[in-house]
Formats: sequence, structure tokens, C-alpha cells
Amino acid sequence: KQEVTQIPAALSVPEGENLVLNCSFTDSAIYNLQWFRQDPGKGLTSLLLIQSSQREQTSGRLNASLDKSSGRSTLYIAASQPGDSATYLCAPSGNDMRFGAGTRLTVKP
Amino acid sequence: GAVVSQHPSWVICKSGTSVKIECRSLDFQATTMFWYRQFPKQSLMLMATSNEGSKATYEQGVEKDKFLINHASLTLSTLTVTSAHPEDSSFYICSARGQRGATETQYFGPGTRLLVL
Repeated sequence: KQEVTQIPAALSVPEGENLVLNCSFTDSAIYNLQWFRQDPGKGLTSLLLIQSSQREQTSGRLNASLDKSSGRSTLYIAASQPGDSATYLCAPSGNDMRFGAGTRLTVKP
Repeated sequence: GAVVSQHPSWVICKSGTSVKIECRSLDFQATTMFWYRQFPKQSLMLMATSNEGSKATYEQGVEKDKFLINHASLTLSTLTVTSAHPEDSSFYICSARGQRGATETQYFGPGTRLLVL
């Protein structure tokens, strides 16, 4: 059974900082890995999807990398803004798709 | 636009009633659908995985007779919470995976918030 761990569990930074969120998973037999954000009381917003054959994906200030063999992915957020405050979830997708517990990010003005 | 829809988006019901939630893939055929639930301040927990035409595979601790999953077509899966109780109040999210164009892809529905009184 796939196990997903996200570090740190919570992060509070001043506006403008660059930051890295980490995700590790135990089963490397995945098709892809997605990063999501979830605002309180809301559904999921897909941020980036990395196919198993890819090493990274970029969208605006976000960059996600994937090292499938070592079971790791990172989400890099550049020049953080208060609007980035949310919980960030990673989910590797193989025979099933499980989520980490998330990183709760607070960006202070 | 949305590629996976869920209906209803929220429901309030009395204890003991059954509630059906629909999950539809709108412009692709979903060979696999996943159902999750999320309790307040917790992450999403996988409940079951279903492949079209097959019985769902339930996660440990999820009662298959209480949470009935039907994936009878490539665009529709339903989750029925039978004899719902207050402890079943949660946010239920489905996800559909399949070929969309040339790419194997996966999308999440917007979720259904269930409150059992």
C-alpha cells in the first residue's frame, strides 16, 4: 500500500520568500504525481501534474520535480504571496491514488 | 471547464436515510474511479477504487455494505451512503482516471458535502 509523507506539516513565512515543500512515497510504480492546493472548506485545485517519465513541471511561480526511483517530489514556490496560503497536497497515482497529510502554508504580508 | 462533476454538491439528511452521490466524467471515459472522504482538518482518505464493470476494491476499515459503489459505465460512478448517521458527515470527493485524447489523465470532482442530522 502506497504511503505518502509530506514535510513540513506546517510552514509560516514572510511574503516574498522562496520555499520548498517535500513529498515522499513508498511505491515508485506510479503513472504520475499531482500537487494540489486546498483552501479551507473547499475542494482541490490541481497545480501541477508530472508524468512518471518526466522530471519536472513548471507553472508560473511553481515548479515541481519528481525523482520516481527515490520516491520523492518537491514543490518549489517562488516569491511567495499571501494568496498562496493554503494546504498543499501531493498525490502519487498508481494502481490507486493516495494523499499525503499536506503542508499547511501561511504567507504573512 | 470542469471535466468531472459531482451531484449533489451538498446534502443535509436525517439519520437513517440513504444518500446517493453521482460522479460523472464529462468528456472522457473513466476506466477507474476513486472515492475519498475528508473529515474537518484532515487529509483525504481513499475509501475505494473501482474499475468499470468490476466490483470496487475497498480500503481497510471502509464498510462495503454501508458505502455502496457502482461503476456501471465509463462515465458514471455512484456512491450510496446507506442508513447514514451523523458520524458519516464528511466531504466526499471522487476522481476519474482515463484516456483524454492521447493522454492518460486524472481529474477530481468538486466534492459533495454531507451533513447527517
